[in-house]
Amino acid sequence: NAGVTQTPKFRILKIGQSMTLQCTQDMNHNYMYWYRQDPGMGLKLIYYSVGAGITDKGEVPNGYNVSRSTTEDFPLRLELAAPSQTSVYFCASSPMPPGPSERQFFGPGTRLTVL
Amino acid sequence: GENVEQHPSTLSVQEGDSAVIKCTYSDSASNYFPWYKQELGKRPQLIIDIRSNVGEKKDQRIAVTLNKTAKHFSLHITETQPEDSAVYFCAALANFGNEKLTFGTGTRLTIIP
Repeated sequence: NAGVTQTPKFRILKIGQSMTLQCTQDMNHNYMYWYRQDPGMGLKLIYYSVGAGITDKGEVPNGYNVSRSTTEDFPLRLELAAPSQTSVYFCASSPMPPGPSERQFFGPGTRLTVL
Repeated sequence: GENVEQHPSTLSVQEGDSAVIKCTYSDSASNYFPWYKQELGKRPQLIIDIRSNVGEKKDQRIAVTLNKTAKHFSLHITETQPEDSAVYFCAALANFGNEKLTFGTGTRLTIIP
């Protein structure tokens, strides 16, 4: 049971390039989330999904897109990378809305730099 | 929506002393309050959580207290050790099927040997 996995671990993009950050969980969790964490800052929600085929915007969705075709995978797409998207991206999952019996677990993160 | 404020942003304590981090929330319907610890370069890890029908919860050297009337909850770490040095985040979840945790801005705790 690997939990939440993310690829790649690190990536450097040039302005205007596109990329997809991968997130996979093997815990059969319905709820999945994408956060970004800027240096020295807290976690900001980008997008989330409550099940396959369902996605919704979080606090900072501009410049990103997501899809959820399977329960396991929740990729995050950056279409036109900008320096403001330099951040560490964390994927997370929980079986139901987070709670004492339904805890939210984070992936190891992807460190993205846009130059 | 929910708003969570966390204080202080940085905290330094002598090894062996206690550390207290406080969070306030705005939505009185919030009913779940987890705390996460994030070591440098690592992912946030859940360390303790509390539901709104409980006033205090302890797990060895870590405790969380909740004051629903005042809408604040606190993390208490006793007998601090160097490995407690990390960034700590509080979070809150509103009731009635809300799917999203709202996080505080984090506290960087440094334990001075």
